[in-house]
Amino acid sequence: QKEVEQNSGPLSVPEGAIASLNCTYSDRGSQSFFWYRQYSGKSPELIMFIYSNGDKEDGRFTAQLNKASQYVSLLIRDSQPSDSATYLCAYRPGANSKLTFGKGITLSVRP
Amino acid sequence: DADVTQTPRNRITKTGKRIMLECSQTKGHDRMYWYRQDPGLGLQLIYYSFDVKDINKGEISDGYSVSRQAQAKFSLSLESAIPNQTALYFCATSDGDRDSSYTFGSGTRLTVV
Repeated sequence: QKEVEQNSGPLSVPEGAIASLNCTYSDRGSQSFFWYRQYSGKSPELIMFIYSNGDKEDGRFTAQLNKASQYVSLLIRDSQPSDSATYLCAYRPGANSKLTFGKGITLSVRP
Repeated sequence: DADVTQTPRNRITKTGKRIMLECSQTKGHDRMYWYRQDPGLGLQLIYYSFDVKDINKGEISDGYSVSRQAQAKFSLSLESAIPNQTALYFCATSDGDRDSSYTFGSGTRLTVV
């Protein structure tokens, strides 16, 4: 069964620190990977996606993909209290597949 | 207007009642999905549809049914609501590309008493 695991939380970091969120997946043939942010009671919203090995940066966010080790990470630099939310990783096992979501990890940024 | 619209936003219903949650989209996407979310359990897929003539069960389809009335509309029904169906329900859409992400509606908070 295709699965995605997110490191246990909740995660708490001080304001201004780097928050590191990790996700491992089971399917070596996975095509693309997504990070969503979800505020309490709200719908998930896309932060970024990545499909090539290496790093992809977008503002304060960096996604890192290592297909050989089957993990994808999200780094949030200069964390702000407004970054406090649940972060969901998801991957697409095949080109025509639906996404498989992790259960999410809750991040708390302390002022 | 939102790209993916869910109605109602909130609903309280009684055990045994039939209830329909509606989802419409202006994204032009072929694929639509229904998820439920309970605290600490992540998103659980109920049903999904890759086009109007294609309906598939997800992980937790028991007690639910769906109807894809058009490319833009996908409804979820609870035939006889029970209290453990109290949850936050999301509709999502996507196209079929490798890099296509999901666009989620704002959600329906359903309470069954």
